[in-house]
Amino acid sequence: GAGVSQTPSNKVTEKGKYVELRCDPISGHTALYWYRQSLGQGPEFLIYFQGTGAADDSGLPNDRFFAVRPEGSVSTLKIQRTERGDSAVYLCASSLNEQKNSPLHFGNGTRLTVT
Amino acid sequence: AQSVAQPEDQVNVAEGNPLTVKCTYSVSGNPYLFWYVQYPNRGLQFLLKYITGDNLVKGSYGFEAEFNKSQTSFHLKKPSALVSDSALYFCAVRDQTGANNLFFGTGTRLTVIP
Repeated sequence: GAGVSQTPSNKVTEKGKYVELRCDPISGHTALYWYRQSLGQGPEFLIYFQGTGAADDSGLPNDRFFAVRPEGSVSTLKIQRTERGDSAVYLCASSLNEQKNSPLHFGNGTRLTVT
Repeated sequence: AQSVAQPEDQVNVAEGNPLTVKCTYSVSGNPYLFWYVQYPNRGLQFLLKYITGDNLVKGSYGFEAEFNKSQTSFHLKKPSALVSDSALYFCAVRDQTGANNLFFGTGTRLTVIP
């Protein structure tokens, strides 16, 4: 079946620009997560949605980062006034429900490069 | 607070030999533990999880992991390594009573030598 889909796969942008990263979760999965992975590091949690609402946004680094999931399916991660330090692979994951024993299923990520 | 330690950045093993990738964790309560594998330019793929019960968990591609509560460890193992097992492996933990996010280690690169 279809897995988690992330677009674009690569994004190059100039410092100061605005970017949007899209995630299409596995059909029927109610929980959606965004992570960021820098080179040589493990994924770092950004935000978690249960349905349409952000249940935990404690990992967002600052107010330049924002995410939405208006219909409880597709999610968009938005970064304003991008900085070179934002360059990383942004991973989206979904799980069947919010139960903590449910594994996360990841997309292939969006590689963001800020020049 | 929760944390995961993967003490080895790199593990090399000869094809056909057994492999072990180490992981220790720290949580306030009881853990749910997971292993993921990442191939180049790909997302993370779920391998196996420990929820409760039998300490030896079997997962995809012949991998297994052993939960040891006293040592707070969850080492990944495979009896006979394949060259195709070469990849980046991540251990992850969730506190059963804490926040919902999955907390990852820094990863271990496994290289299986033909």
